[in-house]
Amino acid sequence: EIVLTQSPGTLSLSAGERATLSCRASQRIDTNYLAWYQQKPGQAPRLLIFGASARATGTPDRFSGSGSGTDFTLTISGLEPEDFAVYYCQHYGGSPKYTFGGGTKVEIK
Amino acid sequence: VQLVQSGAEVKKPGSSVKVSCKASGGTFSNSAITWIRQAPGQGLAWMGGIIPMFGTADYAQMFQGRVTITADGGTSTVYMELTSLRSDDTAVYYCATGVRWLQFFELDYWGQGTLITVSS
Repeated sequence: EIVLTQSPGTLSLSAGERATLSCRASQRIDTNYLAWYQQKPGQAPRLLIFGASARATGTPDRFSGSGSGTDFTLTISGLEPEDFAVYYCQHYGGSPKYTFGGGTKVEIK
Repeated sequence: VQLVQSGAEVKKPGSSVKVSCKASGGTFSNSAITWIRQAPGQGLAWMGGIIPMFGTADYAQMFQGRVTITADGGTSTVYMELTSLRSDDTAVYYCATGVRWLQFFELDYWGQGTLITVSS
């Protein structure tokens, strides 16, 4: 079973700064099957990125995904107030059907 | 696509709970609908999923034997039943699905979540 490890656990940044979130897989995965989600308190997760780098409908272009093999990155080029949230990476298309990383909280510094 | 889940419940340890997820706006039978739970302050855990067209469900190993997922095509509703409830089953339970038919791929649409509290 693939294990996804996200780092850091918490990222303390100011609005306007660049955020770089990491997701490392325990074994090589197909880039087609890596997604990123944003979750705000009291809300369901929201799909941001799929296929490692494709933005979902409605995802602002300040969000970008990259990576391959075992190392994937979500970058937020300039944090807006509404971007402070928890972010999860997810692997799909394998067995088990879905695996999630533990999450990275982006908080206001 | 909209997914509307049943309301919050409080259950006793050892009992069972059945949560519903009603889908609208898409093609129900072709959708891959999955259940994910989130314990308080914790991350996301996949429980299982079903494609109504095929009828059979797939379950995560950690819930195997305690969870049953079924689909009712007549009402476009998917159900998740969890038995032998314990206090650590206290969580928000989400149903979710994607735009790609017949595949458990990225999850574009989510229900609003259902809080299940297990307490004596």
